[in-house]
Amino acid sequence: RKEVEQDPGPFNVPEGATVAFNCTYSNSASQSFFWYRQDCRKEPKLLMSVYSSGNEDGRFTAQLNRASQYISLLIRDSKLSDSATYLCVVNPDSSYKLIFGSGTRLLVRP
Amino acid sequence: EPEVTQTPSHQVTQMGQEVILRCVPISNHLYFYWYRQILGQKVEFLVSFYNNEISEKSEIFDDQFSVERPDGSNFTLKIRSTKLEDSAMYFCASRLGLAGGAGELFFGEGSRLTVL
Repeated sequence: RKEVEQDPGPFNVPEGATVAFNCTYSNSASQSFFWYRQDCRKEPKLLMSVYSSGNEDGRFTAQLNRASQYISLLIRDSKLSDSATYLCVVNPDSSYKLIFGSGTRLLVRP
Repeated sequence: EPEVTQTPSHQVTQMGQEVILRCVPISNHLYFYWYRQILGQKVEFLVSFYNNEISEKSEIFDDQFSVERPDGSNFTLKIRSTKLEDSAMYFCASRLGLAGGAGELFFGEGSRLTVL
């Protein structure tokens, strides 16, 4: 099993759509979890941390299920500017030796 | 807004040459990192650095790689004798690392290394 696994996509959705991405991780002892966004040939940028209780930031909602080792990201009311690759990222311990998924590509069309 | 800066943005080198990639982390941050991303592949951890020494390194970070913090601001990655497979985008990152807080990892814009 890959350390962090994501559907590569692409997800091609119209503006205004709701889209959900999923991610699974293999190390049950992992400490913290994140969604990063990466535009083409740019650096990863933190979108949001993911907490067991679920957390929301505007149009973005992240969820963590430790029992299933599963992380999700929901984007509501998609904008053209949301087009990017979304990286599921796991921190296995306190070291921040982050483990990145391969990313899910999102294309939002007019 | 404070940011991590990296130079050069792009370097082309011949196989076997030495390369130094430079980074200026955010000034009050304590933890420093190098990651790399081969084109079309995922971001991979190379090395972490704290208190003037390497904290952890990955299998990728072999004897050809070294890191240094020569002064109070710069954090460098040296590749002693580049190979074709070293061609990648190299990202520097830093983290404040306060006790009791996870702290966000801030990435620089990357240095693209092309080995011919």
